Amino acid sequence: ETGVTQSPTHLIKTRGQQVTLRCSSQSGHNTVSWYQQALGQGPQFIFQYYREEENGRGNFPPRFSGLQFPNYSSELNVNALELDDSALYLCASSSAGSSTDTQYFGPGTRLTVL
Amino acid sequence: ILNVEQSPQSLHVQEGDSTNFTCSFPSSNFYALHWYRWETAKSPEALFVMTLNGDEKKKGRISATLNTKEGYSYLYIKGSQPEDSATYLCAFRMYSGGGADGLTFGKGTHLIIQP
Repeated sequence: ETGVTQSPTHLIKTRGQQVTLRCSSQSGHNTVSWYQQALGQGPQFIFQYYREEENGRGNFPPRFSGLQFPNYSSELNVNALELDDSALYLCASSSAGSSTDTQYFGPGTRLTVL
Repeated sequence: ILNVEQSPQSLHVQEGDSTNFTCSFPSSNFYALHWYRWETAKSPEALFVMTLNGDEKKKGRISATLNTKEGYSYLYIKGSQPEDSATYLCAFRMYSGGGADGLTFGKGTHLIIQP
């Protein structure tokens, strides 16, 4: 069973640029959630995708958008990058309707915005 | 805005000692409480998902209890070992009536086991 993977591991961008982060779900999972962890904080929920549609969103502006593909992999896109977007971005996959409701996390992508 | 608090923020424990730390969360609209262990440069590892008031879960030397009425959970580690050094995160999931199950995390307890 393959775990959750994310790419790239690290990324450096400049303010105003756009970035795309990628996530491959654990086998058999149909739901992907994205989280942002800023320095000294716990992970914050950005949004969740289920069957290729966004079905919930945290307190993040529209310049944070995503996609989920038929194979349940996912992308997080951030437009017009700001310095405060520098953070670790985590994705987590889960199986909707699972009684255990566990979200399995990838190792994260470290984004630095200069 | 949901508030999930963890204490203490960091903890140094001698190898072989037992320890515990706390997660507090809203007592209304409770759905589940998750515990994760997160070692540096690795993925957060799921430890427990707890859903019922009075739940007690155990995995090896680690156990957790849940009180949904008062909004707290304790994580216990018995006989700490160096490999227990990690950040322990708790996360609250609110009942959403079938909507998204985004987790609200605390800031974590950073545990260091000293040989």
